[in-house]
Amino acid sequence: SAVISQKPSRDICQRGTSLTIQCQVDSQVTMMFWYRQQPGQSLTLIATANQGSEATYESGFVIDKFPISRPNLTFSTLTVSNMSPEDSSIYLCSVEEGINTDTQYFGPGTRLTVL
Amino acid sequence: GQSLEQPSEVTAVEGAIVQINCTYQTSGFYGLSWYQQHDGGAPTFLSYNALDGLEETGRFSSFLSRSDSYGYLLLQELQMKDSASYFCAVRSGDSSYKLIFGSGTRLLVRP
Repeated sequence: SAVISQKPSRDICQRGTSLTIQCQVDSQVTMMFWYRQQPGQSLTLIATANQGSEATYESGFVIDKFPISRPNLTFSTLTVSNMSPEDSSIYLCSVEEGINTDTQYFGPGTRLTVL
Repeated sequence: GQSLEQPSEVTAVEGAIVQINCTYQTSGFYGLSWYQQHDGGAPTFLSYNALDGLEETGRFSSFLSRSDSYGYLLLQELQMKDSASYFCAVRSGDSSYKLIFGSGTRLLVRP
């Protein structure tokens, strides 16, 4: 199974600033996913990051607010831009393995607090 | 569109058996999966059912009825460490093929 690391694990930021979250996988994967999770809530997909192409964003999420990079098959970044307190959340990256198993492996998450 | 329903909270005692239900609506169904998430931790994959019936993995089993659009996760011989949130998930029926998660069931295991 894939091992995923994320940096930073947590951060406290001022409104109006930006934070870039890094996600590193120990193996090459085609698709990487970025989720947001409010405490006690479900996971909401922000975007799917494919290597060599633009990320695919879900409804309610736009590239200007959440730019994503995917420079290679083991790494991706998500930037939360021009932050407001409403962006306070846990951000998780994940990768998929296996065919027809719906198995996703998640990173440990980045807990973001915006003041 | 797609939607999943599961109870928000379940409480059980150590050593007991608990069943967490999930009903789903999706335009195209591929399978039902379950994830466990402890407080402060990342979701971890538990099981996947593509066909009707019961899949057993140790103390955990997962069941699927495609005709009823229904599945459940069965946890036996409950331990305190099983206290966590449990999410069911299905593939979206559109071309994105993304995974859609239910709202989650918070399981509290009491001594």
